[in-house]
Amino acid sequence: AQSVSQHNHHVILSEAASLELGCNYSYGGTVNLFWYVQYPGQHLQLLLKYFSGDPLVKGIKGFEAEFIKSKFSFNLRKPSVQWSDTAEYFCALPLAGTASKLTFGTGTRLQVTL
Amino acid sequence: GAGVSQSPSNKVTEKGKDVELRCDPISGHTALYWYRQSLGQGLEFLIYFQGNSAPDKSGLPSDRFSAERTGGSVSTLTIQRTQQEDSAVYLCASSLAGGPLNEQFFGPGTRLTVL
Repeated sequence: AQSVSQHNHHVILSEAASLELGCNYSYGGTVNLFWYVQYPGQHLQLLLKYFSGDPLVKGIKGFEAEFIKSKFSFNLRKPSVQWSDTAEYFCALPLAGTASKLTFGTGTRLQVTL
Repeated sequence: GAGVSQSPSNKVTEKGKDVELRCDPISGHTALYWYRQSLGQGLEFLIYFQGNSAPDKSGLPSDRFSAERTGGSVSTLTIQRTQQEDSAVYLCASSLAGGPLNEQFFGPGTRLTVL
């Protein structure tokens, strides 16, 4: 069964630093990939998604992610983080053979310091 | 309502008791999902409802878990004879329809603690 791996469990950055969170998946077929974010005290919400086409995907709040098929990766990036980006970030993709049922990584907790 | 709501927000129960968790999806959303997040793990799919179709129960971990969706709206997840390993945050999500093109909107979750 395919899975999603997030190797960075806890990342601490200063404001204005650049961010890259790793996401690797194990599935050789057509993939749809997602990044979700959960801000403190808030619901999980969609940050960005990749279905097809341009492998560089732009999301909300200045985030982007690049789908690299040869590396089975979908890393999340932001050139300059803000304190308000402190949150937990989850990478996800649909379970094999399904279109809707998502499997998530274990999440990366990002802490941005002033 | 503006978003997906879940109740209760927290539930503490004793081992062996039954619990019911409720989810109110966004009005008009035909697809509804239940996930759970155990400590240190990612979200795990449990069950999926799409319109009037039979639910996809492939993610339910045991026959102690069941769910229903009445009138295509509210859903209840029931856990019978709870065990300590059932302790987790149970999340509900809904989307306009099934498929990856339709964003899943998540509720705040119910934190279940089994003593």
